[in-house]
Amino acid sequence: DAKTTQPNSMESNEEEPVHLPCNHSTISGTDYIHWYRQLPSQGPEYVIHGLTSNVNNRMASLAIAEDRKSSTLILHRATLRDAAVYYCILIERWGGSEKLVFGKGTKLTVNP
Amino acid sequence: DTEVTQTPKHLVMGMTNKKSLKCEQHMGHRAMYWYKQKAKKPPELMFVYSYEKLSINESVPSRFSPECPNSSLLNLHLHALQPEDSALYLCASSQERQGSQGRQETQYFGPGTRLLVL
Repeated sequence: DAKTTQPNSMESNEEEPVHLPCNHSTISGTDYIHWYRQLPSQGPEYVIHGLTSNVNNRMASLAIAEDRKSSTLILHRATLRDAAVYYCILIERWGGSEKLVFGKGTKLTVNP
Repeated sequence: DTEVTQTPKHLVMGMTNKKSLKCEQHMGHRAMYWYKQKAKKPPELMFVYSYEKLSINESVPSRFSPECPNSSLLNLHLHALQPEDSALYLCASSQERQGSQGRQETQYFGPGTRLLVL
């Protein structure tokens, strides 16, 4: 079962910042927090990941709470192309392999 | 090249047919995955191959048979499927590496094969 909870949907306006929350209260000390997104009619794509400190890349920023029980994906200026389902995932390691266990995700709608 | 390709894009098959889905990556990744995604649901892991050996089978029915002929190819053989097996089948690959945030194993997904079982 997925170990994260996210709102089912969120809405934003184009060129405004978007903050997508994720709760992972049962996170262990070695769990990485990953975010993937799935655009319509495409496979999921990696967005960002982190362990303890906040992270930035060209797509987004990831803010991780000090107790690591929650995190927030930040899109600084939403575009229409960012409309997608965003998944917050704790990676599970199983026999040397990694498993992505997807939760229900947050469907982001971006209004023009 | 960060592309995972899947063929065919669409497939319609009867319950008595045998068909195969193909996945290919040329990134030198050591792990490859099959996922199943029903409409409006998240992807669900089916199989994981690591160094061409099956390492995870998520209790998938035997009518789905994976095969990894070499490090770049992953097949999913289908036989005697049911209509409820209709779904988008996604392939992914990954390779562990050290990044700025420690160990990282990003999965790269293909566009999927949309399967309809009649």
